[in-house]
Amino acid sequence: QVQLQQWGAGLLKPSETLSLTCGVYGGSFSGYYWNWIRQPPGRGLEWIGEINHSGSTNYNPSLKSRVTISVDTSKNQFFLNLSSVTAADTAVYYCAREGDDLDVWGQGTTVTVSS
Amino acid sequence: QSALTQPASVSGSPGQSITISCTGTSSDVGGYNYVSWYQQHPGKAPKLMIYEVSNRPSGVSNRFSGSKSGNTASLTISGLQAEDEADYYCSSYTSSSTRVFGTGTKVTVL
Repeated sequence: QVQLQQWGAGLLKPSETLSLTCGVYGGSFSGYYWNWIRQPPGRGLEWIGEINHSGSTNYNPSLKSRVTISVDTSKNQFFLNLSSVTAADTAVYYCAREGDDLDVWGQGTTVTVSS
Repeated sequence: QSALTQPASVSGSPGQSITISCTGTSSDVGGYNYVSWYQQHPGKAPKLMIYEVSNRPSGVSNRFSGSKSGNTASLTISGLQAEDEADYYCSSYTSSSTRVFGTGTKVTVL
């Protein structure tokens, strides 16, 4: 049973770079797209982007200039970097596997941007 | 890309059926059979309930069903139960090879 475990810094100052890691345990890493999604407090889900095992990416156009998603297949991990954060980037960030659509999710990481 | 449009709230009594709509465009919902639905309880990660318009993952109750007509997809919950009270989000693949979520619907069991 595949599980996703995510971690990263939870408190950032404006203009810093958000960095999160999602580890894939108990399942295959290749053959899937791996996604990042976020949810601001009290609001809906927003898709950030995705990557496959060979590094092919797709990004949300509204975030594309600030987002980098990368992968380390040797560790079965993928990563999210979001640069120049502001208070508007405060959210719970989720990683998810795209198998039968987004069928496996991480536990979520709360990221707060505050001076 | 604009979020797909869902009603803010839908309610029903136990045992009743409710339907949640998800309206997009021909560039997303209407153009592809890659519409999915997610259930989210407070403080929890979303859970996949329906994929590819009408398919249920293993373990999801058959009280949940999905359909699509034109640019609008729908999720129907039959035999409403207290545990179904949650937020529901639709999602669709888009012509830009991206994904877009719906605005979300709060389901209340009266």
